[in-house]
Amino acid sequence: EPEVTQTPSHQVTQMGQEVILRCVPISNHLYFYWYRQILGQKVEFLVSFYNNEISEKSEIFDDQFSVERPDGSNFTLKIRSTKLEDSAMYFCASSLREGGNQPQHFGDGTRLSIL
Amino acid sequence: GESVGLHLPTLSVQEGDNSIINCAYSNSASDYFIWYKQESGKGPQFIIDIRSNMDKRQGQRVTVLLNKTVKHLSLQIAATQPGDSAVYFCAENPGGNQFYFGTGTSLTVIP
Repeated sequence: EPEVTQTPSHQVTQMGQEVILRCVPISNHLYFYWYRQILGQKVEFLVSFYNNEISEKSEIFDDQFSVERPDGSNFTLKIRSTKLEDSAMYFCASSLREGGNQPQHFGDGTRLSIL
Repeated sequence: GESVGLHLPTLSVQEGDNSIINCAYSNSASDYFIWYKQESGKGPQFIIDIRSNMDKRQGQRVTVLLNKTVKHLSLQIAATQPGDSAVYFCAENPGGNQFYFGTGTSLTVIP
């Protein structure tokens, strides 16, 4: 069964450094998402992306965050200057059609630890 | 923000018994709901979905019930197996692309 893959599985970064999290969505999916889950808390929406544009973003997704689809298969989340509170699991998801009416399929996440 | 809550943070059941996991949602405009299963070290795995024009949907060993009157969602797992042990989340979509997740219920199956 096709799946969303994320790399790395664990990223350790010094505070203030830039980090890029990578995702390969399911190949025929058109809509892509990032969510995060701080330890012990809910899964929270960050951003959705379609047709090379951000289609929706939450309050969490401030100017320190950016997303990109650099080629036909990868989808990345960049945090420009990491803070301690950015430590969390980051999940990438994709859906075949617009996410509000379709299942979003998740990867296994990248655990980001900011020191 | 939206509020999606679960009634029970933990649930233990005997293997072979049926499990019922409950979820309350707050936005009456939500029209699409998903149950996800999350095993340790894994991402949320889609189990079953339901739209607001339905009140029941069945899958393989799972049934989702939706009561819009009281804004309540439940997941029933028949003949629970050890492999069902995981955290279960309900997620609601009131429009747009984002889902609002609950805090999760941890299901433990006792062999």
